[in-house]
Amino acid sequence: AQKITQTQPGMFVQEKEAVTLDCTYDTSDPSYGLFWYKQPSSGEMIFLIYQGSYDQQNATEGRYSLNFQKARKSANLVISASQLGDSAMYFCAMREGRLQAGTALIFGKGTTLSVSS
Amino acid sequence: NAGVTQTPKFRILKIGQSMTLQCTQDMNHNYMYWYRQDPGMGLKLIYYSVGAGITDKGEVPNGYNVSRSTTEDFPLRLELAAPSQTSVYFCAIRDSRVENSPLHFGNGTRLTVT
Repeated sequence: AQKITQTQPGMFVQEKEAVTLDCTYDTSDPSYGLFWYKQPSSGEMIFLIYQGSYDQQNATEGRYSLNFQKARKSANLVISASQLGDSAMYFCAMREGRLQAGTALIFGKGTTLSVSS
Repeated sequence: NAGVTQTPKFRILKIGQSMTLQCTQDMNHNYMYWYRQDPGMGLKLIYYSVGAGITDKGEVPNGYNVSRSTTEDFPLRLELAAPSQTSVYFCAIRDSRVENSPLHFGNGTRLTVT
């Protein structure tokens, strides 16, 4: 079974509108972390936002916020006031367990976001 | 402060050739990782290291080898390259002292095997 599922291969949004990118995860570990990364067409991976499983409030970073619904195992990324520069691939990723030696991130397949003017 | 430096940026290999992808960091982080990214498939972990002298396999280690003789360097070796190894390879680091620390990635190496 996939640990991270991103069901939207592509999303389209107009400038200045808000958009939600979906991410569901699967883990039985009570301690985990969820990350979102942006990959523009230039190829680099840019960290956007983090949510810990024990965090009481949804994470926010500027125009990015994470809609964390623990019971539904979803961690959707919300981008407010979209800009042309937001056009990119977006990856959801999970770290299972507390800080253990070398715990890596497991990535979803990504969602391509296209912002038009 | 460059963070994570990967070389080369691009490489074309013939089937059966070997090469080493270089990864160097200047942030003194203990944790280092190699991922590959195939089109439409997200990133998959190849190998990782928690410190000098310690390496371990990830999800897709076959056809690759790594070594970690220093904190700074974590080279990935491809022996007998195959077309299935055509991919973009990312090296990443993480601060072992911070539980919620994200991965910081290099800019990637785009490898084509023909």
